[in-house]
Amino acid sequence: DVKVTQSSRYLVKRTGEKVFLECVQDMDHENMFWYRQDPGLGLRLIYFSYDVKMKEKGDIPEGYSVSREKKERFSLILESASTNQTSMYLCASSLRQGAYYGYTFGSGTRLTVV
Amino acid sequence: AQKVTQAQTEISVVEKEDVTLDCVYETRDTTYYLFWYKQPPSGELVFLIRRNSFDEQNEISGRYSWNFQKSTSSFNFTITASQVVDSAVYFCALSEKYNFNKFYFGSGTKLNVKP
Repeated sequence: DVKVTQSSRYLVKRTGEKVFLECVQDMDHENMFWYRQDPGLGLRLIYFSYDVKMKEKGDIPEGYSVSREKKERFSLILESASTNQTSMYLCASSLRQGAYYGYTFGSGTRLTVV
Repeated sequence: AQKVTQAQTEISVVEKEDVTLDCVYETRDTTYYLFWYKQPPSGELVFLIRRNSFDEQNEISGRYSWNFQKSTSSFNFTITASQVVDSAVYFCALSEKYNFNKFYFGSGTKLNVKP
């Protein structure tokens, strides 16, 4: 089975801190994604990457950046955390033809910014 | 405009009741894919089903069934004889063939099954 592992289930950070959320997948998937999930808003795409060192902005990239130095790892970076970034963050991966195969998701990181 | 609409925010049923979760989508592509995912309290979204736009056959998997109707742009999900373990948030999603890197998720329906 494909596994997508997010390094932390829960994180509490202070306003202004630089925050790294890590995601690793073990099945050689080309595509990786970062979503945030908020009540009533569903899942919103922050960034995605379809290859090493490649990245594309999603619907809500402001305040975030990403890094993909290796195929299996996709990091989400909050340069200066703010309270409105308190949310559940979900990482996902897929084969290149993601539309057909669908995504595999990690268990999520619940981030609280105080 | 929302590409995927799940109008039911939250549904509560008693165990053994049948329940239908609605999903309405919008796309101009002729080739597209529809998905349902389940998110239990543990947080991980679990894949339930994929349907492509050329296959309108309804599907049944145990207590789960899906009704895909292109005429009404709907892809509804029914759980028969619901169980407490079905309690979760369910997401419907759409992916279009020529923009395959992007999924459009609905806002989710929270299902509470009470014993």
